This record gives sequence, structure tokens and C-alpha cells, in this order.
Amino acid sequence: AQSVAQPEDQVNVAEGNPLTVKCTYSVSGNPYLFWYVQYPNRGLQFLLKYITGDNLVKGSYGFEAEFNKSQTSFHLKKPSALVSDSALYFCAVSTPKGGSYIPTFGRGTSLIVHP
Amino acid sequence: DVKVTQSSRYLVKRTGEKVFLECVQDMDHENMFWYRQDPGLGLRLIYFSYDVKMKEKGDIPEGYSVSREKKERFSLILESASTNQTSMYLCASRNQQWARQGEQYFGPGTRLTVT
Repeated sequence: AQSVAQPEDQVNVAEGNPLTVKCTYSVSGNPYLFWYVQYPNRGLQFLLKYITGDNLVKGSYGFEAEFNKSQTSFHLKKPSALVSDSALYFCAVSTPKGGSYIPTFGRGTSLIVHP
Repeated sequence: DVKVTQSSRYLVKRTGEKVFLECVQDMDHENMFWYRQDPGLGLRLIYFSYDVKMKEKGDIPEGYSVSREKKERFSLILESASTNQTSMYLCASRNQQWARQGEQYFGPGTRLTVT
């Protein structure tokens, strides 16, 4: 079965410091991986995805993610955190189901950026 | 920009009531999804629809049904609301052409409280 794991319920970082939100995956075959962000009282917004090619994927709001096949990881990163980055972050993997593909989401990681 | 709207941001219903949650998207997407989001559990798929009049059960369909009579609209129905259905409900849509690698577009969510 395809799955993703987000090992940290919460990540705390000071504004201006680099941030990392971790995600590991378990799939058969090539993974299609996604990151989404949810700001308070809002729906999810797509940040970035890995399909194939370059292991470093750049996305919205200055975020990037590094795909590491040997470690089966897809960690989300940003060089310099902003207070406004405080939100809930979800990793997802595309999972085959009923002739189509359905995203399987991790449980989410709450990122708190302190001023 | 893709827009996904949900009929209510907040809803309070009584136990046993029949509840309708409506979702509309304006980008002619074939795929539509209903999730519920609970703290610590992430997003769990209730139902999804490949296209008009087509539906498939997700991971937690019990107590729910859906209707997709028009391409732009996907309705979630709680036949007899119970307190354990108190949750945040998120609707999403996606272009079927990019089913495996395409991102989803989410609505703002409906926070349902059943008393």
C-alpha cells in the first residue's frame, strides 16, 4: 500500500532561520509526491510536486522540496522562515485506486514560526 | 484561477437531521472529492467522483452519500447526522487528464457541528 508519513506533529523555528518539514513515503514504483499548505480556517493550497527529473523542486512562496530516493524522503524546505509561513503542511502521494489515482495524505505538520 | 466554493463555512445541525453540503467548481474538472479533516488524523477521503453520475467510495463512506448530477457540482449528504460527524469537510477538484500527477484544488471548507 502507498503511504506517506510526517514524523513531526509540530515544528518550531525562529523567523529568519531555515525550516524543514519532513515527509517519508512508501510506494511501489515511481512516486508522485505533493506538498500542500493550509492556513488557519482555509482550504488546502498546492505548494509543489515531484513527478520526475531534478531532485530539487521549487514551488510557491519560496518553498522547495528535496526528493531523495535512497532515503524515500521528500522534505519541504525554506531558506529563511517568515511568521506568515505558520500553517499546517501536508505531504501526499498519488495512489492508484479504481482505475484512477487518489492522493493519500499524511497527518500534517503544524509549522510555527516565532518572531 | 480555479475556484472551488462550498455552500457554507459554518453549519450547526441537530442529531438525526439530513444534511447537505454543496461544492461547486468552475474549471470544468472531471474529478471531485470530499474529505473530512480531524485533528491528528489528517485528511480522510469520504467519496470521490470521476465524472458526472460516477462515484466511488473512499476510506470512510459510512454514514455518507454523494450526488453528482452536473459536472460542476458535487454534493455530500449526511443521511442522519450524528455527533461523531462533527468535523471540517473539504471539497476538491482535479483535471482527470492529469489524474496521477495533477494537483487538487480545494474549497475553503465547511465546519459542521452536530449537536
